[in-house]
Amino acid sequence: AQSVSQHNHHVILSEAASLELGCNYSYGGTVNLFWYVQYPGQHLQLLLKYFSGDPLVKGIKGFEAEFIKSKFSFNLRKPSVQWSDTAEYFCAVNAGGTYKYIFGTGTRLKVLA
Amino acid sequence: SAVISQKPSRDICQRGTSLTIQCQVDSQVTMMFWYRQQPGQSLTLIATANQGSEATYESGFVIDKFPISRPNLTFSTLTVSNMSPEDSSIYLCSVVGTSLLRAFQETQYFGPGTRLLVL
Repeated sequence: AQSVSQHNHHVILSEAASLELGCNYSYGGTVNLFWYVQYPGQHLQLLLKYFSGDPLVKGIKGFEAEFIKSKFSFNLRKPSVQWSDTAEYFCAVNAGGTYKYIFGTGTRLKVLA
Repeated sequence: SAVISQKPSRDICQRGTSLTIQCQVDSQVTMMFWYRQQPGQSLTLIATANQGSEATYESGFVIDKFPISRPNLTFSTLTVSNMSPEDSSIYLCSVVGTSLLRAFQETQYFGPGTRLLVL
């Protein structure tokens, strides 16, 4: 069965630190990959997405993610986090020519001012 | 992207009762979905709300427990029936805007969610 793993459940960083959140999926075919963010008290928002082309995808608010097909990974990065990046981050995969999304369990990021 | 609203935003309900959650989109969308996000867990797809026909349920979810309506291209409801404390969760509506054939490459947009607590 398809699955998405986010290995870091809770991450605490100081402002200006670099961020990398891991995401691995299990599916051998063509995939679309997403990162969603949920700020405290707000709804899920799309951070970035990969459908095809350049495996390095840039999203909003300085986030980027790299699709490494050989590693089945789509890690999220930001060179310098801000306090306002405190949120929960979800990786999702859309595979097999369907509309179904498989979500990871999420990573709670807390950035200390 | 579509603007999605859900009502109610939160509710506290008694065991054995039912709650209907509404999802309204500001534009016509092809596909609407209902998800559940249980405490400390990921989002799980409950069903696809099909306009003019019965919803398509995922494994583990049944129509008797989660009846869904979709009378038009901008509105859907999810009912959580005969609730138990295990139904305490956040229920999310999501949409995909364009044609079914392109749904594979379209992005889903999510509503704000309905936080349900069953006592």
